[in-house]
Amino acid sequence: DAGVTQSPTHLIKTRGQQVTLRCSPKSGHDTVSWYQQALGQGPQFIFQYYEEEERQRGNFPDRFSGHQFPNYSSELNVNALLLGDSALYLCASSLGLAGVSYEQYFGPGTRLTVT
Amino acid sequence: EDQVTQSPEALRLQEGESSSLNCSYTVSGLRGLFWYRQDPGKGPEFLFTLYSAGEEKEKERLKATLTKKESFLHITAPKPEDSATYLCAVQRGSDYKLSFGAGTTVTVRA
Repeated sequence: DAGVTQSPTHLIKTRGQQVTLRCSPKSGHDTVSWYQQALGQGPQFIFQYYEEEERQRGNFPDRFSGHQFPNYSSELNVNALLLGDSALYLCASSLGLAGVSYEQYFGPGTRLTVT
Repeated sequence: EDQVTQSPEALRLQEGESSSLNCSYTVSGLRGLFWYRQDPGKGPEFLFTLYSAGEEKEKERLKATLTKKESFLHITAPKPEDSATYLCAVQRGSDYKLSFGAGTTVTVRA
């Protein structure tokens, strides 16, 4: 059973650049959420995609955007990178039926370093 | 806004020394409380979901309980392989997101 996969594993970018991170959900899941985890902190919710639409968004600026494809995979794009964007970016997949709580299963993450 | 506070921040245990981690929360209309385990540099691994006060779940040496204001993760006779950061998260009834605490880092010495 394929779990959640993310690419790349590590990434180093310069301030002002743009980055795209990718995620494939666990088999059978149709919903993807993205989280940012700074060192020593719990993950912070960025947004969730369901049926190729952004369903909920956390307190992140518009520099953070995303997309979900018909095969349920997803991308996270960050423009105009800041030093403070350095973090572990986590993708989580789940079933998306509204009104029901389903567990979110996390991928291994992408470690982004902005210099 | 939802608040999740975990204590202690760090816990050092001797192998076999049982202990408990605390997760206190303030959330309007709790739908679910989740426990995850996270190893350094890796993604969180799902452990348990608790839905209502009084509910308990067990998995190997771990047992999670839930009250109306807090949850406990009990580690019975821990082994060095139980060393990790344990994260607690809540989900509000109207939300899809998980709101996490900062975690408790557990170190078990042989």
